[in-house]
Amino acid sequence: RKEVEQDPGPFNVPEGATVAFNCTYSNSASQSFFWYRQDCRKEPKLLMSVYSSGNEDGRFTAQLNRASQYISLLIRDSKLSDSATYLCVVIGNTGGFKTIFGAGTRLFVKA
Amino acid sequence: NAGVTQTPKFRILKIGQSMTLQCAQDMNHNYMYWYRQDPGMGLKLIYYSVGAGITDKGEVPNGYNVSRSTTEDFPLRLELAAPSQTSVYFCASRGDWGYEQYFGPGTRLTVT
Repeated sequence: RKEVEQDPGPFNVPEGATVAFNCTYSNSASQSFFWYRQDCRKEPKLLMSVYSSGNEDGRFTAQLNRASQYISLLIRDSKLSDSATYLCVVIGNTGGFKTIFGAGTRLFVKA
Repeated sequence: NAGVTQTPKFRILKIGQSMTLQCAQDMNHNYMYWYRQDPGMGLKLIYYSVGAGITDKGEVPNGYNVSRSTTEDFPLRLELAAPSQTSVYFCASRGDWGYEQYFGPGTRLTVT
């Protein structure tokens, strides 16, 4: 089983749609969780951190479920500019707080 | 404040050649990382460093070497390039507090 698993997609949605991504992780002792965004042929950039209580940043909501070992990202009112690959990132509690990147979920938002 | 910079942006190598990918950061970060990303795949950690003079292997270190003589610089050396090393290489850094990594723009390497 991979340490971090994501649905590769692609997700094709119309502008204005709501889309949700899930990510599962295998290490129950993982410490911290993030969503990164990667545009085509660009470097990954931090989108938001993920907390157990859930957190929201504008149209984006991230949630952590430690019991089921998954994190989610919800995008409301999708924009064309949201088209990108979304990477789930998990920080372990061993090996120098090892950072594990998921392979990413591709999102295409169409007019 | 340039953040994380990488050179070159692109490079084509012949099999067996060697090269050094440069990475520098101006944020005084102790932690630095080298990743490779193959098409349609996630990032794989090659090497990382927790401070000047300290480096350690990541998930896919074979065929690569690193050094960290200063806080700012973390070069990645490829010896005897092979087609399997064709990839996009990203360098990243982070501070001592928090886990957010800042990435450089990447180096696209093709080995033919």
